[in-house]
Amino acid sequence: DAGVTQSPTHLIKTRGQQVTLRCSPISGHKSVSWYQQVLGQGPQFIFQYYEKEERGRGNFPDRFSARQFPNYSSELNVNALLLGDSALYLCASSAHLGFVNQPQHFGDGTRLSIL
Amino acid sequence: KQEVTQIPAALSVPEGENLVLNCSFTDSAIYNLQWFRQDPGKGLTSLLLIQSSQREQTSGRLNASLDKSSGRSTLYIAASQPGDSATYLCAVSNAGGTSYGKLTFGQGTILTVHP
Repeated sequence: DAGVTQSPTHLIKTRGQQVTLRCSPISGHKSVSWYQQVLGQGPQFIFQYYEKEERGRGNFPDRFSARQFPNYSSELNVNALLLGDSALYLCASSAHLGFVNQPQHFGDGTRLSIL
Repeated sequence: KQEVTQIPAALSVPEGENLVLNCSFTDSAIYNLQWFRQDPGKGLTSLLLIQSSQREQTSGRLNASLDKSSGRSTLYIAASQPGDSATYLCAVSNAGGTSYGKLTFGQGTILTVHP
């Protein structure tokens, strides 16, 4: 079975532009979470979506938004890009909203570089 | 606010050594704790998940323990191999609140096992 897939793998943008990152969860998983990982640090939680509704939001500005589609895939949008948005963006999926007994499965991420 | 700290930040050992990675967290009201492995430029691979009611989990040469009351977890790697070289991250999920999908990560321990 395919794992969590993210596209694109790498992306280069300039300041002020907008970007859309995509994620397909593991088949049967209904929950998708997004994380930002700046070089040398642990991932930081951005959003969680479950059944197409936002169920959690981290401490990120309104320039960051996301949505989940009926097939449970998800998009992360970032507007007005800043140099500090350069990072590895990770998507994770899990089967259910509450994941007490199950791990989250991560994709390989999208490396976003802002020039 | 949950904070996760990992010690040491980096570790270099010769092949064959047994080693211990440490993780501490400030809020003991957690659902579970996960240990992840991250290879350079890649996503996260879940190694072990310990539920809050459990004391330890084992997988092959890996053993993770959890002392929730003191806010500590350790990852024990037996008979280390060069292929174990990676960054190891611990993450906790907090009980309660509305951010159901939120994992709080430490900054990781960079492990190098040399032949």
